[in-house]
Amino acid sequence: GENVEQHPSTLSVQEGDSAVIKCTYSDSASNYFPWYKQELGKRPQLIIDIRSNVGEKKDQRIAVTLNKTAKHFSLHITETQPEDSAVYFCAASRGNSNSGYALNFGKGTSLLVTP
Amino acid sequence: NAGVTQTPKFQVLKTGQSMTLQCAQDMNHEYMSWYRQDPGMGLRLIHYSVGAGITDQGEVPNGYNVSRSTTEDFPLRLLSAAPSQTSVYFCASRTGTSNEQFFGPGTRLTVL
Repeated sequence: GENVEQHPSTLSVQEGDSAVIKCTYSDSASNYFPWYKQELGKRPQLIIDIRSNVGEKKDQRIAVTLNKTAKHFSLHITETQPEDSAVYFCAASRGNSNSGYALNFGKGTSLLVTP
Repeated sequence: NAGVTQTPKFQVLKTGQSMTLQCAQDMNHEYMSWYRQDPGMGLRLIHYSVGAGITDQGEVPNGYNVSRSTTEDFPLRLLSAAPSQTSVYFCASRTGTSNEQFFGPGTRLTVL
């Protein structure tokens, strides 16, 4: 099955700096790559996603890049703010109905943004 | 719309007890799934359903049963709880035409 590796497991940055989280996947059939933000005690919330036919996607201060050949994708957060502090999860999916669109998650990155 | 709802929010069980975690969605989503979240492990898929009457196993199905008699409901049953099932359980749903999976608020289960 799919194996998603996520690095680093913890990341501390100063407010205003950029943060980058990287993930690799093993299943070449995966074609959908979402990123989730989870605050303490809350449910995961989708912040950005990308499909395999796109190399980069940006939404204000966050962006995701995908390298299909190398099977890795990254989350970039610019101008970080203290409210960006949370656990971030990457995921990969074959994106088909047969699999129920099930997501394979990385183990998460705990991001701390210090003022 | 209430979205995806889960009950209970918290539950403590003794080893060997059984219980059902409830999940419901009011968005008419075909696809529903159950994940468990353990510290340092991310979310792992337990079972999923592609529609009423159809379920399948995920990555960690042992010790859990599911059924999908209606589009709205997808309960998760623990037949004989074990301490290894102490976890936070999330239910999720999506439609086939949108990428986004919507997660419920979670159930925190402790098995003593």
